[in-house]
Amino acid sequence: EPEVTQTPSHQVTQMGQEVILRCVPISNHLYFYWYRQILGQKVEFLVSFYNNEISEKSEIFDDQFSVERPDGSNFTLKIRSTKLEDSAMYFCASKGGLAGTGELFFGEGSRLTVL
Amino acid sequence: AQRVTQPEKLLSVFKGAPVELKCNYSYSGSPELFWYVQYSRQRLQLLLRHISRESIKGFTADLNKGETSFHLKKPFAQEEDSAMYYCALSGQAGGTSYGKLTFGQGTILTVHP
Repeated sequence: EPEVTQTPSHQVTQMGQEVILRCVPISNHLYFYWYRQILGQKVEFLVSFYNNEISEKSEIFDDQFSVERPDGSNFTLKIRSTKLEDSAMYFCASKGGLAGTGELFFGEGSRLTVL
Repeated sequence: AQRVTQPEKLLSVFKGAPVELKCNYSYSGSPELFWYVQYSRQRLQLLLRHISRESIKGFTADLNKGETSFHLKKPFAQEEDSAMYYCALSGQAGGTSYGKLTFGQGTILTVHP
């Protein structure tokens, strides 16, 4: 069964460093998402991406964050200059082609630790 | 604005007992509601959604628009049901939507033998 895959599973970085989290969505999906979960808190929406552009973003997704789909298969989340409060589990998700309803398929997450 | 509230962070029951995980939502339009489950060391996965009106692994959930609730129920809990359960809302059912989900805080269900 096709799955969303994420790398790395865990990354430790120093404050101020750039981080790129990678995701390979399910191949025929058209909608892509990043969520994050700070330890002990709820899963929060960051950004959705469709037709090669951001379709919606939350207030968390400030200028330090960016997303790209560079090659038609990968979907990346970049944090330009990490802060301590960026430490969280980051989940990538994708959804099939039907607009509106539909199940989101999640990756296993990338744990980011900022020291 | 859309909001999902799961009032119980932890819920413990014994095997064979009924279980109900509560979920209330706030949304001005016509929502689509989901329950996602995360078993230990596994990814978030869809358990069920209100539009399919089906029972998965013995769980059911009915959307009550009057009470703005979507509680998850199972008449006889099993040990393998122990997991984290998230209620989630997608703000636009049908039509054009990018499918963003708003999650509740999650409820950790522990089923004791």
